[in-house]
Amino acid sequence: GAVVSQHPSRVICKSGTSVKIECRSLDFQATTMFWYRQFPKQSLMLMATSNEGSKATYEQGVEKDKFLINHASLTLSTLTVTSAHPEDSSFYICSASGAGGMNIQYFGAGTRLSVL
Amino acid sequence: DAKTTQPPSMDCAEGRAANLPCNHSTISGNEYVYWYRQIHSQGPQYIIHGLKNNETNEMASLIITEDRKSSTLILPHATLRDTAVYYCIVRPPNSGYSTLTFGKGTMLLVSP
Repeated sequence: GAVVSQHPSRVICKSGTSVKIECRSLDFQATTMFWYRQFPKQSLMLMATSNEGSKATYEQGVEKDKFLINHASLTLSTLTVTSAHPEDSSFYICSASGAGGMNIQYFGAGTRLSVL
Repeated sequence: DAKTTQPPSMDCAEGRAANLPCNHSTISGNEYVYWYRQIHSQGPQYIIHGLKNNETNEMASLIITEDRKSSTLILPHATLRDTAVYYCIVRPPNSGYSTLTFGKGTMLLVSP
């Protein structure tokens, strides 16, 4: 299947710093990428949907100024957690869907963010 | 997306077949059944999908009942590495631009 690369896999940062997470589709063009957050023992919760070249659509309750999403190309989307606080500590996962409404979404390996 | 119901947990002995059920009684005529799994601390992994015919790939087999109200994912020879949460999701075709809605899934524990 298609490969989605997510980097970094783990990050530990101090409170107040910003963290950027990259999501790349390696062998297909991803017109749509999704960003999820997962807390321990819970299911994935969608944060936002990003389409290449346009602004991301955020889910209710997700602060767009805190979680900046950029989908500048068909193979790269980034999520920046700005001014991170301990409550932002979570497992962040991206997924990508190809052109033509391809129904199969492929997921990155996830990024474990720990804010001290 | 149609709602699905899965048992919260299942056990399976290593080397035996794991049969994971999913009920989707409100599935619409054009909705597909997808299966994903999530191994601990990893992103979800696509397994298989189908519309009404049974499907098989290198990972698993998918059996869909004739009335399409339920399906079973079969891992023919479960290994310890198959321990994961398995998610059954139904969605219409050409919905790649919309998110997947994950329920609670089935936690499959494969034991030696």
